[in-house]
Amino acid sequence: AQTVTQSQPEMSVQEAETVTLSCTYDTSESDYYLFWYKQPPSRQMILVIRQEAYKQQNATENRFSVNFQKAAKSFSLKISDSQLGDAAMYFCAYRSPNAGGTSYGKLTFGQGTILTVHP
Amino acid sequence: DSGVTQTPKHLITATGQRVTLRCSPRSGDLSVYWYQQSLDQGLQFLIQYYNGEERAKGNILERFSAQQFPDLHSELNLSSLELGDSALYFCASSVMGLPYNEQFFGPGTRLTVL
Repeated sequence: AQTVTQSQPEMSVQEAETVTLSCTYDTSESDYYLFWYKQPPSRQMILVIRQEAYKQQNATENRFSVNFQKAAKSFSLKISDSQLGDAAMYFCAYRSPNAGGTSYGKLTFGQGTILTVHP
Repeated sequence: DSGVTQTPKHLITATGQRVTLRCSPRSGDLSVYWYQQSLDQGLQFLIQYYNGEERAKGNILERFSAQQFPDLHSELNLSSLELGDSALYFCASSVMGLPYNEQFFGPGTRLTVL
């Protein structure tokens, strides 16, 4: 079974600075999908960024980018020019590409990292 | 607003009771997923449906059951409730339920068991 680990329960950053959230995962699959979700105080789960394992290029979405190290099974999220609205819980998640079986379709989440942004 | 609706937003009930949580997926989405978020277990996948059929099962207790109806809305039934069932229950939907389809999450139902 796949597991996702976020080793930083809490992180903080000054507004306009850059912060990196860490995520490692364990899988025997060679192809898969990785995600970062944001959960603000409203509790709504919002997709921030997605990475397909077969793509070598790191995904970017505006101020958000990832550092995907497949061999190390590492998937960190970098937030540049941090804004007050970035304050939230961030979850790293894994999704298997394989149809069938109990793993099909589900997202496996890490424990989450609470990000605080200081003005 | 993701387009996924969940009712009710909050639910307070007593141990031993049964409740039903409802989810309406985004227009056009055929697949529905249920997740549980609790302090103890974090975010866990419970079950997935695609076009009315169960597609995948996760850590769903036998006291819990779900179904997806012909109009594609889904219900999660929780029975013989225990204190530990208190959690935020999310529904998510995606177009085809395939791994590369983005899952859009609803606002969740907060269940409190007293």
